[in-house]
Amino acid sequence: GESVGLHLPTLSVQEGDNSIINCAYSNSASDYFIWYKQESGKGPQFIIDIRSNMDKRQGQRVTVLLNKTVKHLSLQIAATQPGDSAVYFCAEGKKGDMRFGAGTRLTVKP
Amino acid sequence: GAGVSQSPSNKVTEKGKDVELRCDPISGHTALYWYRQSLGQGLEFLIYFQGNSAPDKSGLPSDRFSAERTGGSVSTLTIQRTQQEDSAVYLCASSLLASGGAEAFFGQGTRLTVV
Repeated sequence: GESVGLHLPTLSVQEGDNSIINCAYSNSASDYFIWYKQESGKGPQFIIDIRSNMDKRQGQRVTVLLNKTVKHLSLQIAATQPGDSAVYFCAEGKKGDMRFGAGTRLTVKP
Repeated sequence: GAGVSQSPSNKVTEKGKDVELRCDPISGHTALYWYRQSLGQGLEFLIYFQGNSAPDKSGLPSDRFSAERTGGSVSTLTIQRTQQEDSAVYLCASSLLASGGAEAFFGQGTRLTVV
């Protein structure tokens, strides 16, 4: 389940299950939204982005959903694997100015 | 180089000293960002450069922090009179901003420890 720890919120899932990571953004004028994955000791890596005029976009094993009415973004990971364990950040941007959300730590249990 | 390069990778400095952190973005990328990440925390926006426009400095936490980007390429983040609360990983990213919405590539970061 999802819980709020001392630092980042944590989501723990069983290997093979689907994961849903949520993010609330703040600027209704943002043009685009991006999900990044950060593994320990590394910089964030791009996963997928979505423009503000879309509500869904699919990639390989990942889907991003955008609900502008409630300013909510989600990342769905299908068939979660141990290699998906990382911290996931959402970011919102307008004309290149990119700001990040707080992040969620995903832990995949074998 | 192939990616965003940051140097040094680690820096230990004494409280009160000045430090300079360097970022070499991907060649041709017009946008450059600096973020700060404390242990187990999210990414705190510091400053954003876009082409020849005036940088967005709204995230710099105090006047001890400054950054410049020379020739639209290399950027240096300077922290004067470092304090222990400045200890963090400083991340640089660059992107090729086309019609809005662009993937940003991050460097490995500089881990700054103020003792």
